[in-house]
Amino acid sequence: AQSVAQPEDQVNVAEGNPLTVKCTYSVSGNPYLFWYVQYPNRGLQFLLKYITGDNLVKGSYGFEAEFNKSQTSFHLKKPSALVSDSALYFCAVRDRGSNSGYALNFGKGTSLLVTP
Amino acid sequence: KAGVTQTPRYLIKTRGQQVTLSCSPISGHRSVSWYQQTPGQGLQFLFEYFSETQRNKGNFPGRFSGRQFSNSRSEMNVSTLELGDSALYLCASSLDRGNTEAFFGQGTRLTVV
Repeated sequence: AQSVAQPEDQVNVAEGNPLTVKCTYSVSGNPYLFWYVQYPNRGLQFLLKYITGDNLVKGSYGFEAEFNKSQTSFHLKKPSALVSDSALYFCAVRDRGSNSGYALNFGKGTSLLVTP
Repeated sequence: KAGVTQTPRYLIKTRGQQVTLSCSPISGHRSVSWYQQTPGQGLQFLFEYFSETQRNKGNFPGRFSGRQFSNSRSEMNVSTLELGDSALYLCASSLDRGNTEAFFGQGTRLTVV
């Protein structure tokens, strides 16, 4: 079985400060990991993914994420937050060795609020 | 390149009715997946289609079904609608399966009254 945990329902950060949105995962094999962002009344937008290789992955809009296998974490980071980054962020995992096929298993989401 | 297109954007149905939602994937993408998003349950996987075949199905009752056509377009159908089926239904397309990222449409907001 695979699962994703996003321990924070909401993260508040001041504009210009660094931000971190946390994600931990559980899979039976090796994971494919993804981050998506959702703005109100919109679908999900892909930010970045980890497949293999470098543990630090760079994505869209200045976001990056660090894969930590020992801690089974994939935290999303940005050095300097913008008010426009305020949205709902989802971490997702796909177990490359799973019998459940290629379904994405999403976390509950973390609401990011960036204040001016 | 056009994104994933879902129609309709909004739908209001009565309990007991059935509904069909449509999804046109990004050109060249062969995999289409469907997800249900609700405030209580979050994002839940419904099913995945690849080359017109259902490859995987989530934990939903048989009232939920889908299909994929030869041009990769997909439809999902929900029969005998219940109030609890009210949700945002999201379609995602991928170039292939496995490690490729999924691109989502804006969703269909279904309200069952």
